[in-house]
Amino acid sequence: DAGVIQSPRHEVTEMGQEVTLRCKPISGHDYLFWYRQTMMRGLELLIYFNNNVPIDDSGMPEDRFSAKMPNASFSTLKIQPSEPRDSAVYFCASSFWTGGAGELFFGEGSRLTVL
Amino acid sequence: DAKTTQPPSMDCAEGRAANLPCNHSTISGNEYVYWYRQIHSQGPQYIIHGLKNNETNEMASLIITEDRKSSTLILPHATLRDTAVYYCIVRPFNAGNMLTFGGGTRLMVKP
Repeated sequence: DAGVIQSPRHEVTEMGQEVTLRCKPISGHDYLFWYRQTMMRGLELLIYFNNNVPIDDSGMPEDRFSAKMPNASFSTLKIQPSEPRDSAVYFCASSFWTGGAGELFFGEGSRLTVL
Repeated sequence: DAKTTQPPSMDCAEGRAANLPCNHSTISGNEYVYWYRQIHSQGPQYIIHGLKNNETNEMASLIITEDRKSSTLILPHATLRDTAVYYCIVRPFNAGNMLTFGGGTRLMVKP
């Protein structure tokens, strides 16, 4: 199994530009999570999906952020317009719900720098 | 809403056991204790979880006190590759697989 695949691994962009981060979860997993990590705030849950449906987006910082999961094998996190304070590592994770306990499998992350 | 308390950093000598404590004094009966670690610049990695009983796998052992208010993650023979940030997380049984990460403990394994 290839694991959770994220792209791009690194992105440098200028303030005001649109940024799209992509995630391919592990096949068969029914949960997908987007996290953001910064030195100041640590790992923050932004949004998560169950069976492609957004369940909790309370962690999305503002309307500039949006996430979609059009099918079970693909998700995007979009920032439009981007700002320097959005600079962070964005992690995607997936898991399979077993009715009690389950582990999250994380991707390698997308490091975003907004100038 | 901090559910767990961990020391910010710890050192351990290579080859010795690393014992990482976690306080979760407000844990509910339906909450699991999870441990993850994050090696520099990588995504977090699952280590182990438990509900009431002590657990052991190929990576570590998890000791949960009888009152469930604290736990200890044990790496029996720490290596330099175990240097990482270790996160202790409590999660309700019915929360799907959602995890909320705190600050964690930065473990430095020294030669």
